[in-house]
Formats: sequence, structure tokens, C-alpha cells
Amino acid sequence: SQTIHQWPATLVQPVGSPLSLECTVEGTSNPNLYWYRQAAGRGLQLLFYSVGIGQISSEVPQNLSASRPQDRQFILSSKKLLLSDSGFYLCAWSDHRDNYGYTFGSGTRLTVV
Amino acid sequence: GEDVEQSLFLSVREGDSSVINCTYTDSSSTYLYWYKQEPGAGLQLLTYIFSNMDMKQDQRLTVLLNKKDKHLSLRIADTQTGDSAIYFCAAGGRGANNLFFGTGTRLTVIP
Repeated sequence: SQTIHQWPATLVQPVGSPLSLECTVEGTSNPNLYWYRQAAGRGLQLLFYSVGIGQISSEVPQNLSASRPQDRQFILSSKKLLLSDSGFYLCAWSDHRDNYGYTFGSGTRLTVV
Repeated sequence: GEDVEQSLFLSVREGDSSVINCTYTDSSSTYLYWYKQEPGAGLQLLTYIFSNMDMKQDQRLTVLLNKKDKHLSLRIADTQTGDSAIYFCAAGGRGANNLFFGTGTRLTVIP
């Protein structure tokens, strides 16, 4: 069966520090991968998605970047965090063959102080 | 892209039925989903319906689809305190980045 892992679960970082959040998927090949951000009490904002290794599409201009160095690994990064980067970050995957819904990771709570 | 809209809040008493509503704009949406998000957790797929269906029932959950009005609803029978969560509606088709989420409805169940 397929599983998605996301870590860390919680992170507190100072303004100006770098960021690296990792997401990995097991049990499937060539998944579509997504990074979402959820601000406190609000809906989901799609940040990046990827249909293959090295292929990244950005949905909104921002202080963050994403990379897909391996088929089932998706990384969200920043060189210098801003206070506004605080939020709940969710990774998700979907099957490239049929895309029946997304499966989400457990999320990372990022607080920039 | 598609616009998916939901009301932000809903409060019900324990034991009553909850109805969470959702509207979408793209009539070609073929898949419609309901996700549940408990505090501090990711989204969990609750149920889904294909656009060629009008209704789907799964234990306490009933999904109704009015394709003409582009309206989707989720009914939870005998609502329990454990049902308190944010419920997201999502609509879309096949292919990458073709699923659009509503803003979520926060359901509060009052004991």
C-alpha cells in the first residue's frame, strides 16, 4: 500500500534562517506531488506541484522553492525565512495514471519567530 | 481554474444531523471529494462521488450531487463530538493539478 511521510511535524525557526521540509512517498511510482500551505484557520493554498523528477511548477510568487531530486521525494526550501512564512505545510500525492483524489501527509507546523 | 465555495462555520448539537454544502463552477468536473481535517493533522479523504452519480451513502455519511446547480453536500447523521473538524470540498478532473479545494467548513459539535 502507498504511504506518505512528511517531516518534521513541528518546527520553530528564526527570521532569516533557512528551511528544508521533506516529503517522501512509498508504494507507488512517478506520483504527482504537491506542496500546500494552510494559514491559521484558513483554506489551502497550492504552492508547488511536480509531475516528475526535476519538474516543478510554481503557483504563487513567494519566498519558497521546491525540488524533486528523486521520483518519490519532494522538498520545500527557503534560503531566508520571513515571518509571513509561518503556517501549516502539507505535502500530497496523486496517481499520475488517474489522479483520483490526493493523499495528504500529516503536515508540518512552521512558526517563524 | 475552478472556484469551490463553502460556508466557513457550522455548529450542531450532538445527535443531530449535519449538512455541509459546497458549490463549484466548472460543470466539467468529474470527481468530487470530501476531506476531513482534525486539529493539527493532514487531510483525510472521507468520501467521493463521480459526476454521473446523484447520491452516495457510506454508513453515517450521505453525499448528494446536484450537477445542474453544481452543488454538493455532505450529510452526517447522528453527529458525534468526534466529528468536530474542518471539512473540505474538492472538485476536479483527471491530470496533475486539476483538483480544486474549497476554503473548508469548520464543524463544531455541541455536547
